[in-house]
Amino acid sequence: EPEVTQTPSHQVTQMGQEVILRCVPISNHLYFYWYRQILGQKVEFLVSFYNNEISEKSEIFDDQFSVERPDGSNFTLKIRSTKLEDSAMYFCASMDLLGTGANVLTFGAGSRLTVL
Amino acid sequence: EDQVTQSPEALRLQEGESSSLNCSYTVSGLRGLFWYRQDPGKGPEFLFTLYSAGEEKEKERLKATLTKKESFLHITAPKPEDSATYLCAVRVSMEYGNKLVFGAGTILRVKS
Repeated sequence: EPEVTQTPSHQVTQMGQEVILRCVPISNHLYFYWYRQILGQKVEFLVSFYNNEISEKSEIFDDQFSVERPDGSNFTLKIRSTKLEDSAMYFCASMDLLGTGANVLTFGAGSRLTVL
Repeated sequence: EDQVTQSPEALRLQEGESSSLNCSYTVSGLRGLFWYRQDPGKGPEFLFTLYSAGEEKEKERLKATLTKKESFLHITAPKPEDSATYLCAVRVSMEYGNKLVFGAGTILRVKS
């Protein structure tokens, strides 16, 4: 079964450092998302990406965050200068509008970010 | 503001003891309600989508129903492997694609 792949599974970084989280969405999907889940809290929307540009972003997604689809397969989330409060599980998701899985977000297993 | 509230926060069941989880929502216009299962340290795994009041979906021991204000996830004769956090989310329409607003989840523990 097709799946969304995320790397790394866990990253520990020092406050102020840059972090890049990587995702390989399902190959025929056209819509890409990043969500995050702070420990013990709700899963919350960060950003959506379609047709090589951001289609919507939340208040959380400020100037320190950026997303990119550098090639035909990868989708990345960059945090330029990490803060302690960025510690969370970051989930990548992708979606297609056609077929049996239409309108369903498929999530990856997540990347746990720990900022010290 | 779109809001999703799940209850109870946690539920402990004996194997075979059926029960229901609740998800109440407030949205400007429902464009789909989703149930996901999340195991510890993993991403949400899709279970069901419901679009209109009266709709029902079933999968093994799980059955999801939808009214105009809430959804229920019924678990019949649960087994220990059903232990997980069950997340409810509503779809908020964007110009392109989906944005999901999640509830806090119900942590289910099934003991043998």
